[in-house]
Amino acid sequence: KAGVTQTPRYLIKTRGQQVTLSCSPISGHRSVSWYQQTPGQGLQFLFEYFSETQRNKGNFPGRFSGRQFSNSRSEMNVSTLELGDSALYLCASSRTSGSSTDTQYFGPGTRLTVL
Amino acid sequence: AQSVTQLGSHVSVSEGALVLLRCNYSSSVPPYLFWYVQYPNQGLQLLLKYTSAATLVKGINGFEAEFKKSETSFHLTKPSAHMSDAAEYFCAVPSSGGYNKLIFGAGTRLAVHP
Repeated sequence: KAGVTQTPRYLIKTRGQQVTLSCSPISGHRSVSWYQQTPGQGLQFLFEYFSETQRNKGNFPGRFSGRQFSNSRSEMNVSTLELGDSALYLCASSRTSGSSTDTQYFGPGTRLTVL
Repeated sequence: AQSVTQLGSHVSVSEGALVLLRCNYSSSVPPYLFWYVQYPNQGLQLLLKYTSAATLVKGINGFEAEFKKSETSFHLTKPSAHMSDAAEYFCAVPSSGGYNKLIFGAGTRLAVHP
């Protein structure tokens, strides 16, 4: 079974631009979560989607948004990029729909560099 | 709120030596605890998961972790380090806010020397 895929793997943008990252979960998984990884802040939760609905959101400004499609694929968007948005963005998928925590499987990440 | 603390941002061992990476959780006993590994330029790979069914959890690549409630710990061990174990290791706990929101420790970078 194919793992979580993320595209693109690398991106270079300039301040003020916007960017869209894509994530395809493991087949059969309906939950997709996004995390930001930086050397200074470590791994931080951005948001989680299940059945096209955002169920949980981390402490990030409104410039960070996401959505999920009916096939469970997800995108996240960052508008008005800032230098501090440079990070590795990781997507994770899991099967569950309930209130418990299922195992999350991570993709390889998208490395975003903001100049 | 739940959190995890990883003691030691860098650990260095010799090939064949015992690997011990420390993780302590806060607050109430969590229903789940995870260890993930990240190799350079890659995403996170699940090593093992604690589910309260057993206090000693065996994972992939010869790693295991023991849940100790009295010490609020979930340390990761491997009896004999291999060069291929060099990576960054993260301990994680589900947020009390529910669903699939993980709270990660700061990570421990493991170096293995010949």
